Order: sequence, then C-alpha cells, then structure tokens
Amino acid sequence: AQSVTQLDSQVPVFEEAPVELRCNYSSSVSVYLFWYVQYPNQGLQLLLKYLSGSTLVESINGFEAEFNKSQTSFHLRKPSVHISDTAEYFCAVSTTISGGYNKLIFGAGTRLAVHP
Amino acid sequence: DARVTQTPRHKVTEMGQEVTMRCQPILGHNTVFWYRQTMMQGLELLAYFRNRAPLDDSGMPKDRFSAEMPDATLATLKIQPSEPRDSAVYFCASGLGDLRDQPQHFGDGTRLSIL
Repeated sequence: AQSVTQLDSQVPVFEEAPVELRCNYSSSVSVYLFWYVQYPNQGLQLLLKYLSGSTLVESINGFEAEFNKSQTSFHLRKPSVHISDTAEYFCAVSTTISGGYNKLIFGAGTRLAVHP
Repeated sequence: DARVTQTPRHKVTEMGQEVTMRCQPILGHNTVFWYRQTMMQGLELLAYFRNRAPLDDSGMPKDRFSAEMPDATLATLKIQPSEPRDSAVYFCASGLGDLRDQPQHFGDGTRLSIL
C-alpha cells in the first residue's frame, strides 16, 4: 500500500526566510504527487502537482517542489516566505483502486508558522 | 467562483443523536469524496462516489456511518447513533474526471462535536 510521510509536524520560520517542507512517499509504481494547503477554518486547496515531465513544479505563489525518484521525495520549498503563508501543508500521493480509478493518500500535514 | 458547499458549518449534539451532514458539489463534477480530519488521525478518506455510485467506502465505519448521493447536486453523510469519538471536522470534496488531471475541490468543512 502506498503511504506518505511528512517528516516535520511543525516548522517555525521568520518572514522572508527560506523554508523546506519535507515529504517522502512509498511506492513501487509510477506515482502522481500533490501538495495541498489548508488555511485556518478552510478546506484544502491544491498548491501544485507532479504528474510527469519536468521534476521541478511551481505554484503561482512562489512555492516549488522537486520530484526525486531515487530518494522517493517530493519536498516543498519557498525561497522567501510571507506571513500569509502560515497554514498547514499536506503532501499526497495518488493510488489506484478497483476499476482503475485513483484516490489520494494524504500525509499527516506540516504546520508552517511564519513569524515577523 | 464555483465552490463546494457544506452544511452545517458547525454541529454540537449529544451522543446517541443522529447527525446528517450535507454537501453540494461543484456543478458538473462527477466525483465526490468525504474525509474526516482529526488531530490524532489526520485526514482520512471515508467514502468516494463517482457518477453517484459508491466506489470506495472502506474507510467508513459501516455500523453507524452511511453515505449517499440522492442526486448529482447533493451528497449526505449520516452518523447514527453518534459517539464522542466521532467529533472531528468532516470535509466534502468534488472533482471532475481523473484525479491525476483534475484537482479535488474541498468545502470548508463541518465541525462536529459530540458531547
């Protein structure tokens, strides 16, 4: 069974500092990887995804993630964070269920706290 | 901007009572998911519907939980009887087509407290 491990439950960082949120997955087959963000009292929103092609994917708000097959990782990075980036971030991997459909397996989440 | 709508946003009730949570997926979406989020377990998939048919409900406790889609614009999650351990935030999400190509769109959740 596929699984996702987010190595840090909380990451405190100062504004304008760089940040990396770590994610490792277990899979023996081709994977599709996602990062979702959850702001307080809201549902999850897709931040970025890796399906195929370039191993570096970017979001519209400055985050990027790199797919590393040899290390089975999909770490999320941002070179300079803002207060507004404070949220919980979830890494997810797709897995195939009966009928050939896909569902997402989520990691436990990493709470990013950006301090002034 | 199209959104997934969940009602109620908050529900407090006593154990033993029936709880019904409702979800209106984005118009045109053909997949609906119910998730439960707790501090201890994180985000768990409870049920997955495609074209209103249940595809996967292996994560749902069958003895007290039930999920249905009476029509394409309404999904329901019921708990009967409710227990304190059911206290959590329940999210509904909808999508279109294959999850590899189309993201899931989440509602803002129902925060359930069972006393």
